[in-house]
Amino acid sequence: DQQVKQNSPSLSVQEGRISILNCDYTNSMFDYFLWYKKYPAEGPTFLISISSIKDKNEDGRFTVFLNKSAKHLSLHIVPSQPGDSAVYFCAASSFFSGTYKYIFGTGTRLKVLA
Amino acid sequence: NAGVTQTPKFRVLKTGQSMTLLCAQDMNHEYMYWYRQDPGMGLRLIHYSVGEGTTAKGEVPDGYNVSRLKKQNFLLGLESAAPSQTSVYFCASRRDRGNSPLHFGNGTRLTVT
Repeated sequence: DQQVKQNSPSLSVQEGRISILNCDYTNSMFDYFLWYKKYPAEGPTFLISISSIKDKNEDGRFTVFLNKSAKHLSLHIVPSQPGDSAVYFCAASSFFSGTYKYIFGTGTRLKVLA
Repeated sequence: NAGVTQTPKFRVLKTGQSMTLLCAQDMNHEYMYWYRQDPGMGLRLIHYSVGEGTTAKGEVPDGYNVSRLKKQNFLLGLESAAPSQTSVYFCASRRDRGNSPLHFGNGTRLTVT
């Protein structure tokens, strides 16, 4: 039972255009959502997060949108750069058994073409 | 500031052998986590700790044990390795009681033959 789903295993985008990565979740108890970027042979690096009380959070070229009614979040990267090529994981957390648990999606591989 | 450091980076084990993966963080974080990453399955939580001396099971704890004797260290043990434990293992830590991002180490790639 996958609570956090990234249905697109891969995405290719031209340099300078917008990249949109999507994530769906099933558990309405999730109240904090995060995006991570991962390069080969490295650990995931935190990119941006959003609390369930907001519907948008921006940090430079990265914007995360949250649609609670649809249980959907997305990450927009504008403009996309070749250095953005990586695997992107979304994650969601909720308070359970005394601490916050973080559930990850399966990742989307983004390739930005020069 | 090293952040989260994992040792070793690579290891090959034979079925039935044991080993310990070490995670060390220098950020004075209370919470530490062990995840495994497998193709097509994302990151799955093995065990976690909410403070020194405490541990708890995650989604996939079978075949693993953990210890948190010191706040800065979180050890993951495999008592009798199996090929199904071939994976990349990531340790993570985070700061405080409320929601906050996880900070990850660079992983340990383990192969069990």
